[in-house]
Amino acid sequence: GIQVEQSPPDLILQEGANSTLRCNFSDSVNNLQWFHQNPWGQLINLFYIPSGTKQNGRLSATTVATERYSLLYISSSQTTDSGVYFCALKGNTPLVFGKGTRLSVIA
Amino acid sequence: SAVISQKPSRDICQRGTSLTIQCQVDSQVTMMFWYRQQPGQSLTLIATANQGSEATYESGFVIDKFPISRPNLTFSTLTVSNMSPEDSSIYLCSAADPWGHEQFFGPGTRLTVL
Repeated sequence: GIQVEQSPPDLILQEGANSTLRCNFSDSVNNLQWFHQNPWGQLINLFYIPSGTKQNGRLSATTVATERYSLLYISSSQTTDSGVYFCALKGNTPLVFGKGTRLSVIA
Repeated sequence: SAVISQKPSRDICQRGTSLTIQCQVDSQVTMMFWYRQQPGQSLTLIATANQGSEATYESGFVIDKFPISRPNLTFSTLTVSNMSPEDSSIYLCSAADPWGHEQFFGPGTRLTVL
C-alpha cells in the first residue's frame, strides 16, 4: 500500500515565525489532503490538493505529484495553529494517513 | 462539504461490554468510513461502510469485533464489542464528497475502557 512519511515529527515555533511541513509518498495518488487536528481532537480540512498550489490565508500548500511530495507552509504562526498536522493520501483505497507533525506555537 | 455528527462524543465503559457509535451526515453520501486513533497515534482505517451490503474491513479488523451497519445514505453505526482497555481510542466517522475525492470527518467519539 501507499507509504506516507511526514517531517519533521515535532516542531516548536515562536509566535510569528514561518514553517514548512513536508509529506513524502511512495506511489501515485488520486487525492492528497492536509488536516489540522486541534487540541480537542477535531480534524479540520485544510487543503484538498492532489497537485498544484493553493492558498488560504496564512496557509498554503504545494503538491508535486510527479516527485511524490507535498509541502504545507504556515506563515506568521499563531498559538491557535498548535496541534497535529496530518497529510493523507488516497490511491485505490480510502485515505491513508501519515504519522503527523506535532506543532507547538509558543507566545 | 459534508457536515458529520457523532454520538456519543465520549464514554467510559467497563471491559467486556459493547458500545455503539452513531454517525449522521447532513447529505446523502456514497462512501462512509470508520477510523480509529489510538492515544498519541495517527488515524487507522477500520472499514468502509457500504450501503446495502456488508462492510469492507481492513487487515487487522474483523466484523465480530467491530460490526458496522449502513441502513441508508446518511447514517452508519460502529459497534465496539467485548471491549478491553486496548480499545480505548478516538473513533472517527468519515464521508467522501459526491465525487469520492475529498473526505470529511466527524468530531470523533472518545472511548475509555476500564
